[in-house]
Amino acid sequence: QSALTQPRSVSGSPGQSVTISCTETSSDVGAYTYVSWYQQHPGKAPKLLIYDVGKRPSGVPDRFSDSRSGKTASLTISGLQAEDEADYYCCSFAGSYGVFGGGTKLTVL
Amino acid sequence: QLQLQESGPGLVKPSETLSLTCTVSGGSIRSSSYYWGWIRQPPGKGLEWLGSLYYNGDTYYNPSLKSRVTISVDTSKNQFSLRLSSVTATDTAIYYCARLSLPLGDSGYFWDFWGQGTLVTVSS
Repeated sequence: QSALTQPRSVSGSPGQSVTISCTETSSDVGAYTYVSWYQQHPGKAPKLLIYDVGKRPSGVPDRFSDSRSGKTASLTISGLQAEDEADYYCCSFAGSYGVFGGGTKLTVL
Repeated sequence: QLQLQESGPGLVKPSETLSLTCTVSGGSIRSSSYYWGWIRQPPGKGLEWLGSLYYNGDTYYNPSLKSRVTISVDTSKNQFSLRLSSVTATDTAIYYCARLSLPLGDSGYFWDFWGQGTLVTVSS
């Protein structure tokens, strides 16, 4: 069973940058080619942040960016703000079969 | 603006079947550019993809749940539904319906619109 592994938690101070990784644990190289990222505040539905490497929906600030290196995708949040404190999930598909990462809790100190 | 709204019982007894419906407004479920799907989140835990459906009825299910999950569509009502059979307490979760944008050329899938979610508790 393939999976996407994220750190359970990360933290940073206002104004700093943090990076959240999402690593594919699969023997099928490149099975999960495209990763999308979601932000979820407590009690709310997830919200699309980034898709297709670097594309942001309207309204998502450019403080949110992503990158990819081998089997690891990364979400970087620069200029941390208090409202960035939330859970973050990566998601990808192998063919039409989807999987989410386990989620990362971001704490803004 | 597209909106999705989940509806269904908030309490289901163990061994019974969980049934939820997602009503889509502000757009057609018949679009060739999207799948529609269900995702769940147990209390305090992460997201789990349950399955996706195309308006023509083609379906894809999470292999870990495949024998218990059925997703269907009613294009006349602009709705799609989830049925999860033989539920246990571990199926207690917030269930979300969402729209899945399909790849265009060199691109991937992504969930661009979500319902607000509905909590389903499995308990006798």
